[in-house]
Amino acid sequence: GEDVEQSLFLSVREGDSSVINCTYTDSSSTYLYWYKQEPGAGLQLLTYIFSNMDMKQDQRLTVLLNKKDKHLSLRIADTQTGDSAIYFCAGVSGGYNKLIFGAGTRLAVHP
Amino acid sequence: NAGVTQTPKFQVLKTGQSMTLQCAQDMNHEYMSWYRQDPGMGLRLIHYSVGAGITDQGEVPNGYNVSRSTTEDFPLRLLSAAPSQTSVYFCASSRDRVTEAFFGQGTRLTVV
Repeated sequence: GEDVEQSLFLSVREGDSSVINCTYTDSSSTYLYWYKQEPGAGLQLLTYIFSNMDMKQDQRLTVLLNKKDKHLSLRIADTQTGDSAIYFCAGVSGGYNKLIFGAGTRLAVHP
Repeated sequence: NAGVTQTPKFQVLKTGQSMTLQCAQDMNHEYMSWYRQDPGMGLRLIHYSVGAGITDQGEVPNGYNVSRSTTEDFPLRLLSAAPSQTSVYFCASSRDRVTEAFFGQGTRLTVV
């Protein structure tokens, strides 16, 4: 099954770029996702990438996928205080109907 | 559209008590799941369902039961609460296994 790992904490200055990294084990994951959780709330889908893509850009967000290294990253350009949240990487476990999440990276944005 | 609705939002139980966490969705989604969120451990899958009448175990099913009698509802039952079940519980639904999962607001459960 799928195993997903992330670093737990990232601190950036407002206006800088943030890069959140994730590694996964199941190479058959068709889609890989980034979810955002704001304090006291559930998770919301931020963006996703299909496994046959290397990169996806959506406004301030850029997702990079390195299938050889099983590495996924989320870059947030011009990071704002409103981006402070926990970001979860997730993949669908191959052969199972399960969405497997990493531990989440807490992004703190300071002035 | 309400999306995914969980009740209650907060609950305190004594060890050994039982209770049911409710989850309902109004999007006609086939897939529904229950996760628990613990600090530093992300979300761990408890049980999931791929349609009415069909349920299966996730990573951490012990101590929990589910049923799926309708497409809309997917309740999670704690049979005999233990302090190790203190956590935040999230219900999610999706149209299928690869599309966006929609999450409820969570239930914060404390077992004393």
